[in-house]
Amino acid sequence: RKEVEQDPGPFNVPEGATVAFNCTYSNSASQSFFWYRQDCRKEPKLLMSVYSSGNEDGRFTAQLNRASQYISLLIRDSKLSDSATYLCVVNLDSNYQLIWGAGTKLIIKP
Amino acid sequence: EAQVTQNPRYLITVTGKKLTVTCSQNMNHEYMSWYRQDPGLGLRQIYYSMNVEVTDKGDVPEGYKVSRKEKRNFPLILESPSPNQTSLYFCASQGRAGEEDTQYFGPGTRLTVL
Repeated sequence: RKEVEQDPGPFNVPEGATVAFNCTYSNSASQSFFWYRQDCRKEPKLLMSVYSSGNEDGRFTAQLNRASQYISLLIRDSKLSDSATYLCVVNLDSNYQLIWGAGTKLIIKP
Repeated sequence: EAQVTQNPRYLITVTGKKLTVTCSQNMNHEYMSWYRQDPGLGLRQIYYSMNVEVTDKGDVPEGYKVSRKEKRNFPLILESPSPNQTSLYFCASQGRAGEEDTQYFGPGTRLTVL
């Protein structure tokens, strides 16, 4: 079983719709969680951190469910520019070790 | 402007010909790391460095070397490249461990080994 698992997609979603996807992690000792966005053939960029209490940034909401060991990302009123691959990242401990999911590809259609 | 630079951006080479991919950051970050990204596998860490002269293996170090003689530079060395090292490589840096300080990535180096 992979340490961090994501549905690879692609998710094909009409513009303006709400889309959500999850990421599961296997290590219950994981301490911090992030969503990164990666555009085709470009470097990943931090989208948002995921706090225990949840985190909202404009149209984006991230949630953490420690009991079931998953994090989620919700995008409301999706835009064409939201088309990208979304990478789930888990920090196992207090050092720099990050475990990356393989990503979920999102395609927003007009 | 805060940035991580990598060179070259694209490289096609042949099996066995030594190559170096340079990485430099201008943010005075202590931590630097190299990843490779392959379809369906996500980012996998090759080597990382906690500070000058301090390096350690990541998940997939075989076939790679690194050095950290200066804080800003962290080159990746392939002494004898093989076709299975064809991949997209990213260098990253981060300011402080344990804090929610994001990793900054370079633009990537697309390597093809024939």
